[in-house]
Amino acid sequence: TQLLEQSPQFLSIQEGENLTVYCNSSSVFSSLQWYRQEPGEGPVLLVTVVTGGEVKKLKRLTFQFGDARKDSSLHITAAQPGDTGLYLCAEDQTGANNLFFGTGTRLTVIP
Amino acid sequence: ETGVTQSPTHLIKTRGQQVTLRCSSQSGHNTVSWYQQALGQGPQFIFQYYREEENGRGNFPPRFSGLQFPNYSSELNVNALELDDSALYLCASSLRTGGRETQYFGPGTRLLVL
Repeated sequence: TQLLEQSPQFLSIQEGENLTVYCNSSSVFSSLQWYRQEPGEGPVLLVTVVTGGEVKKLKRLTFQFGDARKDSSLHITAAQPGDTGLYLCAEDQTGANNLFFGTGTRLTVIP
Repeated sequence: ETGVTQSPTHLIKTRGQQVTLRCSSQSGHNTVSWYQQALGQGPQFIFQYYREEENGRGNFPPRFSGLQFPNYSSELNVNALELDDSALYLCASSLRTGGRETQYFGPGTRLLVL
């Protein structure tokens, strides 16, 4: 079982700033999913990346999958308080949709 | 709003007791997965049910068991509760069609074992 390391563990920034969070693995990902979890809620899927070097955009969020498919990043432009939450990366290691999650990055955006 | 509901929202039990947590899947979803999320951690996969049969299990002991019903609701049962079982328990439903699935998570049940 590979480890999913997310960094930083905590991040507190002012509204309007940019930020990047990272997800790294000891092995090659088959595919990678990014989720956001708000307090009192379950995780919500943001994006799935599959191909090495892939870049996907979701409004102010940009997701990148490393060329070697062992790392991924999430960049947020002009962060807003509504972006506050726990950002999780996850992989389906068995191919049966049994997700293995990283420990997450807890983001706080201060108005 | 994912259409997945869980009950109860919060629960307090004592060590050694048994607990049953319930999940109502999104309508038509034939697969349900359960996860345990300890404080400050990401969710950990417990097991998955597909068409009422267990279809994959994580590194959890047999005292964690489950059921999936014909109406696609499901239960997670935990016997002989331990202090370390205190966590947020999440269920996630999906529709298995042979392609890529999206899991829709419920809000979770927060269990505290004293």
